[in-house]
Parts: sequence; C-alpha cells; structure tokens
Amino acid sequence: DAGVIQSPRHEVTEMGQEVTLRCKPISGHDYLFWYRQTMMRGLELLIYFNNNVPIDDSGMPEDRFSAKMPNASFSTLKIQPSEPRDSAVYFCASSLEGLAGGPWEQFFGPGTRLTVL
Amino acid sequence: AQSVTQLDSHVSVSEGTPVLLRCNYSSSYSPSLFWYVQHPNKGLQLLLKYTSAATLVKGINGFEAEFKKSETSFHLTKPSAHMSDAAEYFCVVSVWQGGKLIFGQGTELSVKP
Repeated sequence: DAGVIQSPRHEVTEMGQEVTLRCKPISGHDYLFWYRQTMMRGLELLIYFNNNVPIDDSGMPEDRFSAKMPNASFSTLKIQPSEPRDSAVYFCASSLEGLAGGPWEQFFGPGTRLTVL
Repeated sequence: AQSVTQLDSHVSVSEGTPVLLRCNYSSSYSPSLFWYVQHPNKGLQLLLKYTSAATLVKGINGFEAEFKKSETSFHLTKPSAHMSDAAEYFCVVSVWQGGKLIFGQGTELSVKP
C-alpha cells in the first residue's frame, strides 16, 4: 500500500488567495483526520470524518477553513482567504475502526508545508 | 477527560547510552496509549501501542514502553541510542468515544556522537 498521500507537499501563496490541500487515505480505512502543526501550538486536530461524514469540526479555526470528503478515497481542506498565520504543516491521517467503535492507530501522510506570504 | 503530559521538551543522550522519554496521562477510561515518532520534515510514524494487554509493549527500532496504571505513566525507553533515533517523539492517548487522539507536546531527542 502506498500509505496516505498528500498533495502538494509544499505550497507558497499570497495572503488572500485560496488554498486547497488534498489527501488520499489508505484504501479501506474509514476514518480520516486533518491536523495542523506549528511550533507555537504543536499538533492540532482540525476535523475528522467517519465513512465520509464529518464527525467533529470543533478544531477548525474559523469559517475561512472548510473540509470535504466526497468519497472514501479523497478529501480536501480549503482555506479561503488565506492569511500569514495559516502558515503551518498540514497533515492528513487515516485509520480503521478499532475496538469499542472508535478509530484505531492513525497512519499519517507526509504533510503539506503551507507558507502564506 | 483525557490528557497527556510529556515531562521533557528536550532530551539529549550520547550514542550507545539508554533513552528515557517520560509521559504521564490522565484518562477517565482504561486508556489506549501510543508513541509516535517524527523525523525532520517527515510525517508521524507509529512506534508502539498499548491496548490493555501486556503492560510492557515492544515497538519498532528497539523501543519499548511500560504502562503503569498506579503511576499513570507510559514512559518510552531504548537500551542503546543510535544517531538515527534523533527525532521528535509524541505520547498519545486515545479517546474511545469521539474518535480523537490527544497528542502530547512532544519531546525532541538529540543523540550526540
């Protein structure tokens, strides 16, 4: 298996522009997570999906952020408009359902390093 | 509520000496616990996981961790550090209901030659 695939690996954009990050989870996994990592705040969970349905988006910082999962093999995280403080590494992770109904260990993609100028 | 505290933000060891990365957790349930490693400019990789079976868990690359309920700890150890172990290590507790993983702030491990 190729693992979790993210694209692009690096993105540099100007303030105000729309940014779309993409993720392909491991085939067969039914949970998908979006994280943001910064030096100041560490690793933060933004949103996660179960069977393509958003379960918890309480970590999404504000309305400028949106995420979709149109099918089991693809998800996007969109920032519109982007701001310099959105600069971070964004990780996607996927998981199978484990014991007691929750997700089990998560498999992370390589991340997208976003720089907003 | 679940939480996890990594007691050291940075640990430095010499190559060939033991590694100890400390983690304390808080959980209302019988927790599932994980250690992940992140090498520079890479994604996170699972090192090992505790699932309420054996309290001593062996992982990849010679790492192991011991679950101690009385101390609410899940410290990560390795008998002999290698230069390639230099990375950031995250202790993680699983929230059974809701699907979240709660990450510690991370411990940066440096290995000196």
